[in-house]
Amino acid sequence: GAVVSQHPSRVICKSGTSVKIECRSLDFQATTMFWYRQFPKQSLMLMATSNEGSKATYEQGVEKDKFLINHASLTLSTLTVTSAHPEDSSFYICSARISSGVVSSPYEQYFGPGTRLTVT
Amino acid sequence: AQSVAQPEDQVNVAEGNPLTVKCTYSVSGNPYLFWYVQYPNRGLQFLLKYITGDNLVKGSYGFEAEFNKSQTSFHLKKPSALVSDSALYFCAVREAGANNLFFGTGTRLTVIP
Repeated sequence: GAVVSQHPSRVICKSGTSVKIECRSLDFQATTMFWYRQFPKQSLMLMATSNEGSKATYEQGVEKDKFLINHASLTLSTLTVTSAHPEDSSFYICSARISSGVVSSPYEQYFGPGTRLTVT
Repeated sequence: AQSVAQPEDQVNVAEGNPLTVKCTYSVSGNPYLFWYVQYPNRGLQFLLKYITGDNLVKGSYGFEAEFNKSQTSFHLKKPSALVSDSALYFCAVREAGANNLFFGTGTRLTVIP
């Protein structure tokens, strides 16, 4: 099956610093990747959709200058939380849709294991 | 507009009993429907999907779901629950031709030994 990895799995940073989270599709190419944020006991909220080689599309209310997304290749997207504050503490999950590769289904999104960000 | 409703925050079932986790959806066009499971501090794992064809779809770990167009529902079922099925379950919908998945608020399933 399709595997999506995220790194790091957990990160603790000080307020005001920036944190980068990587999302990789390991055995398939992903034209489109998605970044979600999940608060405790709540559903996933889509933050942005990134397409390889173009600018990300952000959902309403998500600050694009604060949450920088780079989708530089068909297997890698990064989310950088800039000047992090305690309210940015959350569980961030990336997801990828298949465009080609070993697994051929175009319908499914495969999710990474998530990154727990804690800003102190 | 797309939306998904999971009316139950919590479902408790005894081990060995059948379980049902409810989901209803709203889309303008044809729906693609999905169930995902999430274990603590983990990402989402795909369970099953309905795209077209048979209304009853079978997925991972013995789960199945039935697409009911008239009731706009896609309830998740399993004939005999296991303690290890205890987790958070999300229903999701994507309208045919659209890019994004919309998730329900999740249902926490607890299987009691």
